[in-house]
Amino acid sequence: SQQGEEDPQALSIQEGENATMNCSYKTSINNLQWYRQNSGRGLVHLILIRSNEREKHSGRLRVTLDTSKKSSSLLITASRAADTASYFCATAAGGGSNYKLTFGKGTLLTVNP
Amino acid sequence: DVKVTQSSRYLVKRTGEKVFLECVQDMDHENMFWYRQDPGLGLRLIYFSYDVKMKEKGDIPEGYSVSREKKERFSLILESASTNQTSMYLCASSFYRSGLGTGEQYFGPGTRLTVT
Repeated sequence: SQQGEEDPQALSIQEGENATMNCSYKTSINNLQWYRQNSGRGLVHLILIRSNEREKHSGRLRVTLDTSKKSSSLLITASRAADTASYFCATAAGGGSNYKLTFGKGTLLTVNP
Repeated sequence: DVKVTQSSRYLVKRTGEKVFLECVQDMDHENMFWYRQDPGLGLRLIYFSYDVKMKEKGDIPEGYSVSREKKERFSLILESASTNQTSMYLCASSFYRSGLGTGEQYFGPGTRLTVT
């Protein structure tokens, strides 16, 4: 079952602009993670935010988490052509079976040079 | 650097064949996972394992089995390959820490399997 849902499904911007992607989920979580996937490759972990955190930064990435709204956003600042990829959010559920992540369907980001 | 390797990048098999996909990780992670990824459907969990010889079904286990005889190796088996199993298969591993839940997953490069 898919818990995380990214929005928009696709985003096209110019180099240098900021890109914002959103993720909504349905049940309580221990943490939420964002991943990047370049075409035809495996996923690469970008950032993890715990349920008791509200904001986290890593380089040009900024992630926010609002557990009351069950939503998260990923902001990429000063985008580059190399940021072109699909971006996925994934939730680690709270409670029992918390070994696994549930991934959304992703946002395809295209950064035009 | 964590490394997760998969036995093949591309694989072509015939309907009815038994197919083995191998995954090896070098970080002593407890958890290992097999996903398939299809356009429009995202990543779907097939099976995961939280310890040697332990396994649990994911969301779409039908037609698949797994084996974890050693901590670093997790195999996905298609007992009798069918055309609807044509897909990208991704293996991942992660640690688990109480209170945090599952940590970040490290993915292999993927195996693109075509069943004809």
